[in-house]
Amino acid sequence: GESVGLHLPTLSVQEGDNSIINCAYSNSASDYFIWYKQESGKGPQFIIDIRSNMDKRQGQRVTVLLNKTVKHLSLQIAATQPGDSAVYFCAENSNYGQNFVFGPGTRLSVLP
Amino acid sequence: DTGVSQDPRHKITKRGQNVTFRCDPISEHNRLYWYRQTLGQGPEFLTYFQNEAQLEKSRLLSDRFSAERPKGSFSTLEIQRTEQGDSAMYLCASSPEGLAGGEQFFGPGTRLTVL
Repeated sequence: GESVGLHLPTLSVQEGDNSIINCAYSNSASDYFIWYKQESGKGPQFIIDIRSNMDKRQGQRVTVLLNKTVKHLSLQIAATQPGDSAVYFCAENSNYGQNFVFGPGTRLSVLP
Repeated sequence: DTGVSQDPRHKITKRGQNVTFRCDPISEHNRLYWYRQTLGQGPEFLTYFQNEAQLEKSRLLSDRFSAERPKGSFSTLEIQRTEQGDSAMYLCASSPEGLAGGEQFFGPGTRLTVL
């Protein structure tokens, strides 16, 4: 079936560097995407979202890029901090908030 | 704290027993979702309510799984005759109705261990 996947299962970055987490999706009908952060023992926490009529959206220290041509999504975290260490999931849907499909996740480790 | 709450946070049960989990969504949210998450994987959608109506349940894993939201507020997820393969984190999320955003707010989850 349709699925969302990630290129890299783990990512280690130095504190202060920028992080880039990638995600590939296969459902060309997907029109809404979210990046979630999940810390150990907690539920996923919303970071940023983007709709398919956009190719870039910025938040506080985070930027999401969407390339519909190659069905690729990325999350950029500027000046990565120790508190950014977590598992990051991309999720997509095509039905205005129903039935999100999540990828398997990328673990981000921030090195001192 | 006005976020999504789930109870219990942890449940250990023996194979064959029934378990029920509760989710209290954010009060003004009329959409409620249940997901299952196994170790190292992303959440897997199970079912979805809009108010008290269960609009999607085809993703429930088997007929041993059922969910209710009788008054359109809290919801329960029941697993009958639990199996070891049911061991996972069960997450609940809620969202407001509308097209402006689809963000789902997740609770802390209930971790189920079936012995």
